Amino acid sequence: QMQLQESGPGLVKPSETLSLTCTVSGGSISSYYWSWIRQPPGKGLEWIGYSDYSGSTNFNPSLKSRATISLDTSKNQFSLKLSSVTAADTAVYYCATGMYYFESWGQGTLVTVSS
Amino acid sequence: SYELTQPPSVSVSPGQTASITCSGDKLGSKFACWYQQKPGQSPVLIIYQDNKRPSGIPERFSGSNSGNTATLTISGTQAMDEADFYCQAWDSSTEVVFGGGTKLTVL
Repeated sequence: QMQLQESGPGLVKPSETLSLTCTVSGGSISSYYWSWIRQPPGKGLEWIGYSDYSGSTNFNPSLKSRATISLDTSKNQFSLKLSSVTAADTAVYYCATGMYYFESWGQGTLVTVSS
Repeated sequence: SYELTQPPSVSVSPGQTASITCSGDKLGSKFACWYQQKPGQSPVLIIYQDNKRPSGIPERFSGSNSGNTATLTISGTQAMDEADFYCQAWDSSTEVVFGGGTKLTVL
């Protein structure tokens, strides 16, 4: 089964850019769809966006202007960048496989936005 | 924007059947799926494409989707099933949407 692991800073300052990486094992980044989902503390899940295997992306309209997802096939990784963050972006961020539904998930990483 | 509505909480006695609903406009025309999330853990896909179970998911979990409502049914509920459950829908116009989540209590 595919395994995913998120990595990145746990603390980001307001107005700066949040950057996370997901390392994939047990499967090739050149196949499938790759997604990011977040969950504010004590709240529900929110889809951020996905990239297909060619790098074509689609995003939640509420985040579209601030989010980018990119693939690094040489490292079998994909990344999320979210610009101009505020405290409302504080959440556990998950990477996952899939587009219509999400079969495999990373363990999640908490990102706190605070000065 | 498209919204999915779930009851905040559902309670069930051990061994009984639990039903968790997910409502949205014409939800039956979209693909629906369900996730189980236990405290401190990542969500786990338990139903996809309305009623299919991934390998390793017990047969007591089943799903249906028709009209404006998708339903997750847990037959013979066990204490280990206590968790938060999220529905999620997809179609080409709304893309991905999650419901607000339902806390299942087994008591």
